Amino acid sequence: DAGVTQSPTHLIKTRGQQVTLRCSPKSGHDTVSWYQQALGQGPQFIFQYYEEEERQRGNFPDRFSGHQFPNYSSELNVNALLLGDSALYLCASSWINTEAFFGQGTRLTVV
Amino acid sequence: AQSVTQLGSHVSVSEGALVLLRCNYSSSVPPYLFWYVQYPNQGLQLLLKYTTGATLVKGINGFEAEFKKSETSFHLTKPSAHMSDAAEYFCAVSDRHAGGTSYGKLTFGQGTILTVHP
Repeated sequence: DAGVTQSPTHLIKTRGQQVTLRCSPKSGHDTVSWYQQALGQGPQFIFQYYEEEERQRGNFPDRFSGHQFPNYSSELNVNALLLGDSALYLCASSWINTEAFFGQGTRLTVV
Repeated sequence: AQSVTQLGSHVSVSEGALVLLRCNYSSSVPPYLFWYVQYPNQGLQLLLKYTTGATLVKGINGFEAEFKKSETSFHLTKPSAHMSDAAEYFCAVSDRHAGGTSYGKLTFGQGTILTVHP
């Protein structure tokens, strides 16, 4: 079992650009959540997807959007990147009555 | 709204000493509670969780935590620290999702960096 896999592991983008991060959930998991972890902070919830629908959303602007595919994998898109978007982006997957399993994260640097 | 407070952003102990990492939460209903560990440049690994039942929860690597509703606390302990325990630890709460499927969003504390001295 490969667990939760995220790609890419590192990414450097310029202010104003758009970025797409990808996540494959742990085998058997149908729910995917995304978190942003700024340096020295705890992870902050962005949104959660279940059955290809956004089920819950945290306090993030509309520049942050997502998608879940029929195979349960997910993408996180961020438009009009700001320097403050630099962070570790974590994907977590889960299933009925299971806790969240986290991937290794994607380190996004905006310059 | 839920919130989590971890007392002490840095905790330093000697190898073999007791580890105590403090976590207090605020929630309008009894939540689910978790402790995660994060090693440098890695994701989060679950140490233990409390959902229902016994309030003393045992996790991996010798860690345990006790849910105290009256104190709204969920402190993490380990009787004897090992060098490999050096990492950042996060306490988190989750609502009991109305949809009845997996847990809802996790709300994390700011984290506590544990340093273990030889």
